[in-house]
Amino acid sequence: EIVMTQTPATLSVSPGERATLSCRASQSVKSNLAWYQHKPGRAPRLLMYGVSLRASGIPARFSGNGSGTDFTLTISSLQSEDFAVYYCQQYDDWPPLTFGGGTKVDIK
Amino acid sequence: VQLVESGGGKVQPGGSLRLSCEASGFTFENYEMNWVRQAPGKGLEWVSYISGSGNTRYYADSVRGRFTISRDNAKNSLFLQLSSLRAEDTAVYYCARDFDTLEYWGQGTLVTVSS
Repeated sequence: EIVMTQTPATLSVSPGERATLSCRASQSVKSNLAWYQHKPGRAPRLLMYGVSLRASGIPARFSGNGSGTDFTLTISSLQSEDFAVYYCQQYDDWPPLTFGGGTKVDIK
Repeated sequence: VQLVESGGGKVQPGGSLRLSCEASGFTFENYEMNWVRQAPGKGLEWVSYISGSGNTRYYADSVRGRFTISRDNAKNSLFLQLSSLRAEDTAVYYCARDFDTLEYWGQGTLVTVSS
């Protein structure tokens, strides 16, 4: 099973600032990496797939980078609606699909 | 696309529950489906997968032998039968569409396993 590790667990950022979230896989997942945004009481929302491809309707301030085992999600200028928990997920070798433990982005 | 889960509730350890997910806005039989759960204060955990025809099914190790995924394409519905429930199965259960990247999710249904 591929283990996904996200850092940091919590990221405190001011609105308008840049946020960079990290995700590491226990073995190469090539470019088979997705990111999700999750707010309390809401359905998770697919942000990125194939590392750097934005899902439908996702604004350009979200970008993804990396390959193999190390990946980042960058939010270039945080908006109020971006404060949430973010998860990475690999789909290179499954079952099982595996998610990282999440990074909570909160207001500084 | 809309996915609406139902069937959650409180159940005693060792009990059973059947979750449903009603799909609309797409041709249900053409899409693979998954169940994903989130325990209180924890992250997302993939639970189970089923192919469009229902012929292929996968389970997480933590639920294999206790949970059964199924679907009724004529009724645009996905199911998860939960048996031999444990306290650690307490979670919000989401159905999600697609094979590997989960583009559409329902709002979830809460399952609480407690005496």
